[in-house]
Amino acid sequence: EIVLTQSPATLSLSPGERATLSCRASQSASSYLAWYQQQPGQAPRLLIYDASNRATGIPARFSGSGSGTDFTLTISSLEPEDFAVYYCQQRHSWPLTFGGGTNIEIK
Amino acid sequence: EVQLLESGGGLVQPGGSLRLSCAASGFSFSSYAMSWVRQAPGKGLDWVSTIKGSGDSTYYADSVKGRFTISRDNSKNTLYLQTNSLRAEDTAVYYCAKDVRVGTATPNFDSWGQGALVTVSS
Repeated sequence: EIVLTQSPATLSLSPGERATLSCRASQSASSYLAWYQQQPGQAPRLLIYDASNRATGIPARFSGSGSGTDFTLTISSLEPEDFAVYYCQQRHSWPLTFGGGTNIEIK
Repeated sequence: EVQLLESGGGLVQPGGSLRLSCAASGFSFSSYAMSWVRQAPGKGLDWVSTIKGSGDSTYYADSVKGRFTISRDNSKNTLYLQTNSLRAEDTAVYYCAKDVRVGTATPNFDSWGQGALVTVSS
C-alpha cells in the first residue's frame, strides 16, 4: 500500500499569499497523483489529476507538479474561497489511498 | 450536468446491514468506473470500493473486504454498496464518486454526491 504523507498539517496564510502544499509517497506513484479541495460540510472537489492536469473549471492559480514520490500543489495567490482542507490521492496501485490533509487557514 | 444522489444511510446496530444507493444522471453511466469513498466524523477521506463500468471488476479496501459488496445496475443508472457486519469504525459519511475519464485502470474522482451518513451504534 502506498502511504501518502501531507505537510504541513496546517498552513496559516493571508489572502493574496502563495500556498505550497506537499504530498510525499512511501513508494513511487509515478505521475498518478491527484489533489482535492474540501470545504466544511461539502463533498471534495477535484483540482488536479495525474500530477499536473487541472480538472474542468479549476482556476489557473492552482497548479500541480512532481512525480515519483514528491508532489506539490501550489496556489499562486490565495482567494478567500481557497481556505479549506486539501487532500492528495494516488491511483498508481490498489488500494487507492489519500493523504491525511492540509488545512489552509486564514492568518 | 452530472448529478449523484446517495440514499440509504441511517442508524444501525453493530453487526447490522445497510444498502446504500447512488442514483446517477447527466453522463453515460455505464462508461465510467464508480467508487465509494467515506469520511469518518472529523477525519480524512478513505477509499472503500470501486467497480468498473461494465461491472465485471471490483476492488475493495482491506478494511471492508468480505463485509461490503459494490454493484451497479447500468439499466437504472444506479450504484450500490451493500454493507454487512457493520462496526463502530464504519461510522462515516459515504460518498459515491465518478471517475474523471473513461477506461482508466484506476480512478480519480471528478464528481461526488452529497454523501449519506451511516452511524453504527447500539
